[in-house]
Amino acid sequence: DIQMTQSPSSLSASVGDRVTITCRASQGIRNDLNWYQQKPGKAPKRLIYAASSLQSGVPSRFSGSGSGTEFTLTISSLQPEDFATYYCLQHNTYLLTFGGGTKVEIK
Amino acid sequence: EVQLVESGGGLVKPGGSLRLSCAASGFTFSRYGMNWVRQAPGKGLEWVSSISSSSSYIYYADSMKGRFTISRDNAKNSLYLQMNSLRAEDTAVYYCARNGDVDYWGQGTLVTVSS
Repeated sequence: DIQMTQSPSSLSASVGDRVTITCRASQGIRNDLNWYQQKPGKAPKRLIYAASSLQSGVPSRFSGSGSGTEFTLTISSLQPEDFATYYCLQHNTYLLTFGGGTKVEIK
Repeated sequence: EVQLVESGGGLVKPGGSLRLSCAASGFTFSRYGMNWVRQAPGKGLEWVSSISSSSSYIYYADSMKGRFTISRDNAKNSLYLQMNSLRAEDTAVYYCARNGDVDYWGQGTLVTVSS
């Protein structure tokens, strides 16, 4: 099975900060990677698909990059509504795997 | 608008069974693979099982194999998860989610396994 290592597991940041979250795959997954945002008590919401494509309706301050084994989610200027937990998901194989999550908290 | 609505969660004793349902609308259900994903309280997301559009291909996470059965009824636009031999560690919110690349999610249904 493909393992997804997400880092950091949590971070504290201020409104306006640039935030970067990383996922590493245990083997190459091309660009078969999505990023999700989850707020407490809510279902995850897809932000980025195919590693770098922005989901319709998602603000352009979110961006994704990477291919193969290293992937990054960047929030260019953190907004109050962005405080949440973020997950990556690889869907290169039929056995899907999520990263462990990154909780973005207010500094 | 794509909608996925889960139901069937509740409190069940260890060793018991439960059947979850997911009602789909707003898209041609029979054309899409579907997934179940779960989230234990305070924990991360865990993929449970996937089924292809015609039910030809079915996959399970190792810890669910032999206990959980995914199925679908394309005529009823519905996805199911039969869960047997439930354990305390199966306590979680269970989400259904569309497609191999998991684009849309339901709101989830809580399953609590406790005596």
